Amino acid sequence: GIQVEQSPPDLILQEGANSTLRCNFSDSVNNLQWFHQNPWGQLINLFYIPSGTKQNGRLSATTVATERYSLLYISSSQTTDSGVYFCDEGKSTFGDGTTLTVKP
Amino acid sequence: AAGVIQSPRHLIKEKRETATLKCYPIPRHDTVYWYQQGPGQDPQFLISFYEKMQSDKGSIPDRFSAQQFSDYHSELNMSSLELGDSALYFCASSLGHRNQPQHFGDGTRLSIL
Repeated sequence: GIQVEQSPPDLILQEGANSTLRCNFSDSVNNLQWFHQNPWGQLINLFYIPSGTKQNGRLSATTVATERYSLLYISSSQTTDSGVYFCDEGKSTFGDGTTLTVKP
Repeated sequence: AAGVIQSPRHLIKEKRETATLKCYPIPRHDTVYWYQQGPGQDPQFLISFYEKMQSDKGSIPDRFSAQQFSDYHSELNMSSLELGDSALYFCASSLGHRNQPQHFGDGTRLSIL
């Protein structure tokens, strides 16, 4: 099956900083999604982005399907952004996630 | 907007007991997915259903079974529970089973004593 690699595994930021999370795939994907799991365990769908770029407030994502990667940008981070960010290539294989901690 | 509803939110069982988790998808969604997330682990896909038929199968143990009913809700039946089954069980739904965004419920936290 497709291998999903996320980086970095852990990230600590000061509130207000920007960050970029990356997701690499071992094969082409058609159905890329980014999720945020908050400290209470809820999984929130951030973006469905098989290709191109989307923006939603302080978050944006870009998927370059031909090069098998996707990026999630978080700008002006807030403490509520803390949690684990997963990418899922749509065939039910999650990456190991990036654990983000935003400090006040 | 209506979201995916899972019940119960929390469940405590003892070893060798059985458990049934329920998932009610977003209205008009025809596909349901089940995931298991152990402590400190990423979600692992168990099984999915599209139009009441099994569409994909992941790492679901033989002790577990699931089905999707005519109203599109789904149930995950777990038997001979083991300590290692303690986890957060997520259900997600989508409209269509290929190349569609999944929307997750809040999960059922199952604890095995």
